[in-house]
Amino acid sequence: ELKVEQNPLFLSMQEGKNYTIYCNYSTTSDRLYWYRQDPGKSLESLFVLLSNGAVKQEGRLMASLDTKARLSTLHITAAVHDLSATYFCAVDISGGGADGLTFGKGTHLIIQP
Amino acid sequence: GAVVSQHPSWVICKSGTSVKIECRSLDFQATTMFWYRQFPKQSLMLMATSNEGSKATYEQGVEKDKFLINHASLTLSTLTVTSAHPEDSSFYICSASLAGAETQYFGPGTRLLVL
Repeated sequence: ELKVEQNPLFLSMQEGKNYTIYCNYSTTSDRLYWYRQDPGKSLESLFVLLSNGAVKQEGRLMASLDTKARLSTLHITAAVHDLSATYFCAVDISGGGADGLTFGKGTHLIIQP
Repeated sequence: GAVVSQHPSWVICKSGTSVKIECRSLDFQATTMFWYRQFPKQSLMLMATSNEGSKATYEQGVEKDKFLINHASLTLSTLTVTSAHPEDSSFYICSASLAGAETQYFGPGTRLLVL
């Protein structure tokens, strides 16, 4: 059974600081996704990581994937209040979109002014 | 980008009634559609995988007779919660994928409250 673990589950930080969210998974996979969810809303896709060593950046967020370590990170640089949300990582073990995703528990991020 | 819609966006019903939720891919034909459930302050859990013209594949612990899934076309899947009870109150989110696509496209979700 695939397990996806995120940590921390809750993070309160100040604007301007840097921090990293970690996502470990238990089964071989080379497809990992990061999503953002605002309260009461559905998921917003942030990053799709498709191979070992993949690194993607968008604004203050950067995601990376190490398939050998079964680890992905989401790094936040110089956080701003607008980044407050819940962040989920998810893994697709089929690699072809035929299977559903297994999600981590989510990291609830609060960025204080 | 690919757009997935859900209808209704929220629904309140009495215990014992059935509720149908629609998931549509608006600008593409989806090979596969997925149904997820999210309880408050929890993660998303995959309920079932649906392919057009085939019976849905349910995840362990999900009652197929309670959560009826129909995937009649490449652009429409429906989830019917039969004989709903308060514990079925949740946020139901569908997603759709194309064969060979890099990602799934998520709908906006349907919030169900069973009184």
